[in-house]
Amino acid sequence: GAVVSQHPSRVICKSGTSVKIECRSLDFQATTMFWYRQFPKQSLMLMATSNEGSKATYEQGVEKDKFLINHASLTLSTLTVTSAHPEDSSFYICSAFGTSGGFQETQYFGPGTRLLVL
Amino acid sequence: AQSVSQHNHHVILSEAASLELGCNYSYGGTVNLFWYVQYPGQHLQLLLKYFSGDPLVKGIKGFEAEFIKSKFSFNLRKPSVQWSDTAEYFCAVSPPPGGYQKVTFGIGTKLQVIP
Repeated sequence: GAVVSQHPSRVICKSGTSVKIECRSLDFQATTMFWYRQFPKQSLMLMATSNEGSKATYEQGVEKDKFLINHASLTLSTLTVTSAHPEDSSFYICSAFGTSGGFQETQYFGPGTRLLVL
Repeated sequence: AQSVSQHNHHVILSEAASLELGCNYSYGGTVNLFWYVQYPGQHLQLLLKYFSGDPLVKGIKGFEAEFIKSKFSFNLRKPSVQWSDTAEYFCAVSPPPGGYQKVTFGIGTKLQVIP
């Protein structure tokens, strides 16, 4: 089946630094990728929808200048948490939706990236 | 705004027992409905989905779910669970026509199946 990877799987950074998380679709082309955030004991919350070659669409309450999303190719989307603060500590999950032949049209999720800001 | 509530946060069953996980959603219009599963150490994956048509949806591994519009429910069922069904199950909803756009997830139900 289709595979989505995320890198890094875990990151610890100091407050004020920026962190980049990569999401790759390994064996299919993803026209759309989604970024979610999950706080402890809460459900996944959609942050933004990223379409290849265009600007991301952010959900209400998500700061686009803080969470920079770039979907530069059909297999890669990046989320950069700029000037991270402790309240940004969370589990970030991406998913990819593709329409290339051979795979069922559905969302394929990455394994997630745990961010801890000290 | 849409929301999803899952009634049971932690369910423990013996093998061969029947399973029903509750899911209710709130949304004023037509919806797309999903159940996702996350096995220990693995990614979230789609179990089944309802977009339109027969409200009784069959998914992988013997799971099924029934969309009852009047009750705003989409409960997940399996007649006889196995130890390998131990996982966390997430109900989700999205408004059409996007399908997988703007999906809202429930908080999840952890299922533990005892051999």
